Amino acid sequence: DAGVIQSPRHEVTEMGQEVTLRCKPISGHNSLFWYRQTMMRGLELLIYFNNNVPIDDSGMPEDRFSAKMPNASFSTLKIQPSEPRDSAVYFCASRGTGTYEQYFGPGTRLTVT
Amino acid sequence: KNEVEQSPQNLTAQEGEFITINCSYSVGISALHWLQQHPGGGIVSLFMLSSGKKKHGRLIATINIQEKHSSLHITASHPRDSAVYICAVRGSQGNLIFGKGTKLSVKP
Repeated sequence: DAGVIQSPRHEVTEMGQEVTLRCKPISGHNSLFWYRQTMMRGLELLIYFNNNVPIDDSGMPEDRFSAKMPNASFSTLKIQPSEPRDSAVYFCASRGTGTYEQYFGPGTRLTVT
Repeated sequence: KNEVEQSPQNLTAQEGEFITINCSYSVGISALHWLQQHPGGGIVSLFMLSSGKKKHGRLIATINIQEKHSSLHITASHPRDSAVYICAVRGSQGNLIFGKGTKLSVKP
């Protein structure tokens, strides 16, 4: 099993540009989570999908952030327009049915200049 | 007050020492996770527990539901144990609420 796959691993962009982060969960997992990690705030949940449906998006910072899960094997997190304060590591995690354990992807390190 | 508090924030130990990291939480939970974040940034799930104690190699995790407290112990610590250890509790929506982490450095 390849585990949770995230791309890109590193992204450097200029303020105002659109950024799209991608995640492929573990095959067969039905829950997917997007997290953000910063030095100041640690790890925070942004949004959580169950069976491709967003269940809790209360952690999404503002309207500039949007997430989609068009099918069970793919999710995107989009920031438009990006700002320097969005610089962070963004993790995707997935979880199978009937279990609490989440499996994390390697993360995407985003730098907005 | 944070919902999940870890202590200490930073910990330096000599190789071979017994290490304890503590986690207290203020919300009702159905499960508690201990995660390890390597210096390179990757996150690995170490334990998930809802009661009692679990052991994996030199790592032991305990939880006391009544006291809302969990501990992670490392026996015979080694420099390769150097990492950030994160406690997380499972919220009502299935999401994880994270502590700030404990940065452990084990010196040879």
